[in-house]
Formats: sequence, structure tokens, C-alpha cells
Amino acid sequence: DTEVTQTPKHLVMGMTNKKSLKCEQHMGHRAMYWYKQKAKKPPELMFVYSYEKLSINESVPSRFSPECPNSSLLNLHLHALQPEDSALYLCASSQDSMGQGAYNEQFFGPGTRLTVL
Amino acid sequence: GENVGLHLPTLSVQEGDNSIINCAYSNSASDYFIWYKQESGKGPQFIIDIRSNMDKRQGQRVTVLLNKTVKHLSLQIAATQPGDSAVYFCAHQGGKLIFGQGTELSVKP
Repeated sequence: DTEVTQTPKHLVMGMTNKKSLKCEQHMGHRAMYWYKQKAKKPPELMFVYSYEKLSINESVPSRFSPECPNSSLLNLHLHALQPEDSALYLCASSQDSMGQGAYNEQFFGPGTRLTVL
Repeated sequence: GENVGLHLPTLSVQEGDNSIINCAYSNSASDYFIWYKQESGKGPQFIIDIRSNMDKRQGQRVTVLLNKTVKHLSLQIAATQPGDSAVYFCAHQGGKLIFGQGTELSVKP
């Protein structure tokens, strides 16, 4: 299984809602990532988990809360989002985290298209 | 800081022709580069990579060229097909993955 799956595919939520995005991989990868991608723009890194511990938080607002329950699962909890948070949220995984000198191919999921009303 | 960018936001080619997508970077310490393809409604898909100790790497119908002197990276796609239509991103990996702005490739039948 060389696939990263994400659910839901689409999500529409109001600014007062609480929702969660889910990501799963069964490749035995120990690093998992959340990216945000706006239309016609490149993905922007949000969070990195390495061995189930948060290793990088790219100054993401606290209304986004990541969680890594185990080595195969990654969640992104959403609360009190703003319309400008509407984007494609991509999950990725790699064999290991990307330290200097390490070259680990990242496998991306199809993303969750989020719309905040 | 690091900068990985592309010269052209869009590229249109005739089916069967060769495509060349370019990317410039500013950090001379960059040592590993990747090309990703992103089709509509999908996540980025790894195409090919190259390390800084190489000038050229070939895959199936794709070739990546690295010119460290002018800090330029290119992706060549041979005999471009309609299925190659997508947005192509170059990216640099050094601690984290940094993407360039992307080039949207359209293939005319």
C-alpha cells in the first residue's frame, strides 16, 4: 500500500463550527505533514510530526490543532476558522523527517477541499 | 532566505512536442531538488529528483537538468501527451520541503 488517504474529500463549515480532517498511511512512514494550498499557489508547510511528536509548527494560528494518535494517523482539528482559511489541505508522509543530508520522498494525499463560510 | 521559483506560470505545447519547464533558485547551499506534478483535484505526485552532485538525471520520458553555476533547474518532458497536463512544481528539500510557484502545462491535441 503506497497511498496516503484523506477524509473528507470536501468540507464546508461555518466560522463557529468544530471539525476535523483525517489522514492515514500504511507505508510504515514515521514522518507526517500538513500543508495548506491556496488556488494556483504552491503548498505551504503547516506542521511536521516525526515519530508521533510535533517537530515543526510553521507559526500556524491556534485555530488549527494537529494530532498524531499513532504512527499511521494524522488529524487536523479545526475551530473558529476564518473565510481566508478556505483552501486545499494536503497531508503527506515520508520514511523519516527531513533532516539535513536526508532525502526522503514525500507521498501526498489527494487533499481535503475546505470552504469556510 | 531560500527561494525556489519558476520562470513561467503557464506553458502550452502541442501534443508530441517536447516540453521544458524551468526553475531558478537562490540558495547556493541547496543540495537536493524534486519535481512534482499536480493534476487537478489531486495532491502533488513525485516525478523525479536530483542531488547537487549531479548535472542530469533521466527517468521515463522525463529528464531533470541542474546547472549549479547559474542556479537553474529544468524539467524536460519528451513527446508530451495530454495526460501530462498539470501544474509542475520544483521543490528544494533542506530541513523542510520548499516549493516554487509552479508552471501550468497545457497540451494541445
